[in-house]
Amino acid sequence: QKEVEQDPGPLSVPEGAIVSLNCTYSNSAFQYFMWYRQYSRKGPELLMYTYSSGNKEDGRFTAQVDKSSKYISLFIRDSQPSDSATYLCAMSRRNNNDMRFGAGTRLTVKP
Amino acid sequence: DVKVTQSSRYLVKRTGEKVFLECVQDMDHENMFWYRQDPGLGLRLIYFSYDVKMKEKGDIPEGYSVSREKKERFSLILESASTNQTSMYLCASSADRGLGDTQYFGPGTRLTVL
Repeated sequence: QKEVEQDPGPLSVPEGAIVSLNCTYSNSAFQYFMWYRQYSRKGPELLMYTYSSGNKEDGRFTAQVDKSSKYISLFIRDSQPSDSATYLCAMSRRNNNDMRFGAGTRLTVKP
Repeated sequence: DVKVTQSSRYLVKRTGEKVFLECVQDMDHENMFWYRQDPGLGLRLIYFSYDVKMKEKGDIPEGYSVSREKKERFSLILESASTNQTSMYLCASSADRGLGDTQYFGPGTRLTVL
């Protein structure tokens, strides 16, 4: 079993839809949770970062962590075509040298 | 604006060749990382470095080595390339060991070994 599971999609939604992206994990020692966005032919860029359980909001993006269920989510409100990318979840126990990444979910937002 | 550059975007090599992938960052970051990205597997850490001439193995170091002679430059070396090393290679850098410090990624090098 992989430490981090993420549905690779692809996921296709119409513009304006609410998008829900999810990851599950098996290691209860993970404390730091991140979402990266990767556009085609580019490197990943950090989108959201949360520590332990709870919600974090940044504009149209909301990250949720439920440590009791070992489940994290990223919600995108009012999705735009420019949100079309691959979204990677990542998590770590302590330092960023022990990060574990999900396989990534490919999202397409159609105009 | 942080910039991480990688020497090549696409590279084609033959089995047994020695391959050098170079990464340069311009933000005076202490930490540098090499990952490979494969479909269905996500990013996996090959090697990382906290300082010049320092290196530590990641999760999949077999078949790779690294060199960090200058703070801004981190090289990944495939001593004898094999077909199972065909992959996207991503370099990243960050300012210190603390979490919450963003890893900045380069654009990647897509390596094909024939």
